[in-house]
Amino acid sequence: AQRVTQPEKLLSVFKGAPVELKCNYSYSGSPELFWYVQYSRQRLQLLLRHISRESIKGFTADLNKGETSFHLKKPFAQEEDSAMYYCALSSQGAQKLVFGQGTRLTINP
Amino acid sequence: DTGVSQNPRHKITKRGQNVTFRCDPISEHNRLYWYRQTLGQGPEFLTYFQNEAQLEKSRLLSDRFSAERPKGSFSTLEIQRTEQGDSAMYLCASRPGQMNTGELFFGEGSRLTVL
Repeated sequence: AQRVTQPEKLLSVFKGAPVELKCNYSYSGSPELFWYVQYSRQRLQLLLRHISRESIKGFTADLNKGETSFHLKKPFAQEEDSAMYYCALSSQGAQKLVFGQGTRLTINP
Repeated sequence: DTGVSQNPRHKITKRGQNVTFRCDPISEHNRLYWYRQTLGQGPEFLTYFQNEAQLEKSRLLSDRFSAERPKGSFSTLEIQRTEQGDSAMYLCASRPGQMNTGELFFGEGSRLTVL
């Protein structure tokens, strides 16, 4: 069974501080991992995907298959980063995404 | 706005009533998905269409739930004999079929409150 766990429901950091949102998954095959974000009063949207290995809005995430993790990191948080973040998993070739419970990130000024 | 459109945005109903939600995907997106999101949880997959064919259904989709996409464009999700446990945000998403990048384009959702 596929499962995504985000252990922190709430995370609060100060502007300029580093941010790390944790994501652990369980899946026996080769997963595809994603981070989705929902800003206040906006739709859920894709932030980044592990296969692209890109930095979006200063965020990066590395897939660690040994630790079955896909943590989202940003070295210097900005107030506009405040949002709800969801980690999601898809098995290769599958259509559906399995989402974690989400972490609400608040950046304090 | 050329994004995914969902109607109604909010529906309040009494237990036992039927409700229907509509989703208009992004034009030319042949894949359409329904998700349900309850308070404090992430979205949970309900069902998926490729064009008009419903190709996958979650066990969450009980007999009271039915989804259609008759012409491969808009889709409807009907809940019959609603129960209080059906109260949730119902999200629709779409994506083009040419490549599976994992990127789903979500609508703003339809919030159902069952009294």
